[in-house]
Amino acid sequence: EVHLVESGGGLVQPGRSLRLSCAASGFIFDDYAMHWVRQVPGKGLEWVSGISWNSGSVGYADSVKGRFTISRDNAKNSLHLQMNSLRAEDTALYYCAKGSVYSYGREDYFDYWGQGTLVTVSS
Amino acid sequence: QSVLTQPPSASGTPGQRVTISCSGSRSNIGTNTVNWYQQLPGTAPKLLIYGHNQRPSGVPDRFSGSKSGTSASLAISGLQSEDEADYYCAPWDDSVNGWVFGGGTKLTVL
Repeated sequence: EVHLVESGGGLVQPGRSLRLSCAASGFIFDDYAMHWVRQVPGKGLEWVSGISWNSGSVGYADSVKGRFTISRDNAKNSLHLQMNSLRAEDTALYYCAKGSVYSYGREDYFDYWGQGTLVTVSS
Repeated sequence: QSVLTQPPSASGTPGQRVTISCSGSRSNIGTNTVNWYQQLPGTAPKLLIYGHNQRPSGVPDRFSGSKSGTSASLAISGLQSEDEADYYCAPWDDSVNGWVFGGGTKLTVL
């Protein structure tokens, strides 16, 4: 059974950094792309970033480009999101999602989701 | 403000058929397949429809997706109380080189 468990969320001041992690199990981690999707409580979903199986291709939403960095450690079955220069509008529940294919691109979709970790950016 | 437009709400009575629309543009729906996600209250989203109207294992065939031009639709037949949830469309968008989500539709079963 696929399990995705996010961690690293919390309260952080504007301008500071935070690193999210996602521990994956129940599937061959390095066979699939992975993603981060966020949701402001009570609002809709926003795709944040994605990474191919071998980290060779990555993508970011315009809203986080230049501030967030996605990475993965296939040896440890883990996905990460380094978030720098955080803003109030980054406040959201951050979901880790498994891709359906190995590559980053149009053929992919998010077939399993974690329960999310809450990031609150406030002074 | 999402690049995909969904009605904020929809409703139906048990047994009815309801449809949820998702309007986009050439760079997203017009060129790519549309995936749909269901989010039950207080839970993480779940994949509902992917690719060309494919359903993951466990999703009943009461759920179906379709696309015409730059618009897509999710149809739910034989509506049940457990279908009460938020529904999101999400295709790849060539102009952003990533995925875009519709604003979501809250389905109420009366």
